[in-house]
Amino acid sequence: ELKVEQNPLFLSMQEGKNYTIYCNYSTTSDRLYWYRQDPGKSLESLFVLLSNGAVKQEGRLMASLDTKARLSTLHITAAVHDLSATYFCAVVPSGGSNYKLTFGKGTLLTVNP
Amino acid sequence: GAVVSQHPSRVICKSGTSVKIECRSLDFQATTMFWYRQFPKQSLMLMATSNEGSKATYEQGVEKDKFLINHASLTLSTLTVTSAHPEDSSFYICSACIQGFYNEQFFGPGTRLTVL
Repeated sequence: ELKVEQNPLFLSMQEGKNYTIYCNYSTTSDRLYWYRQDPGKSLESLFVLLSNGAVKQEGRLMASLDTKARLSTLHITAAVHDLSATYFCAVVPSGGSNYKLTFGKGTLLTVNP
Repeated sequence: GAVVSQHPSRVICKSGTSVKIECRSLDFQATTMFWYRQFPKQSLMLMATSNEGSKATYEQGVEKDKFLINHASLTLSTLTVTSAHPEDSSFYICSACIQGFYNEQFFGPGTRLTVL
């Protein structure tokens, strides 16, 4: 059974600081997604990472994937209040026609002025 | 492109009633749709995979007779919560899948169900 672990689950940081959210998964994966969820809202797709060494950046967020370590990171640079949200990683296991997503528990990010 | 809608966005019902939630892919055809449930401050849990023209595949622990799923067309899947109880109160999110290079799922805006 595929397990996806995120840490930290809660992150409170000051504006202007940098931090990293980690996502570990237990089996080989075809692809990994990062999503953002605001309170009361659905998911917003941030990144899809398809191969080992993949790095994608959008604004103050940068995601990377190390398939050998089964680890993805979401790095936040110079955080601003607007980044406050819950961030989920989700993984699709390798092989077959299975494209079901398994989600991590999410990281609640609070950026304080 | 790749917009998914859900209706209703919010519903409050009495215990024992049935509630139908619609999930539509607005600008693409989705052979596969997924239904998730999210309790407060928790992650999304997959309930079932819905394939157009065939029976849905339910995840372990999800009662198929309680959560009826119909995927009658390539743009519409419905989830009916039968005989709803307060413990069914949750945020229900659907997603629709475009089959392609990486089969990305596009998520609907969610339906907040409150059972009194």
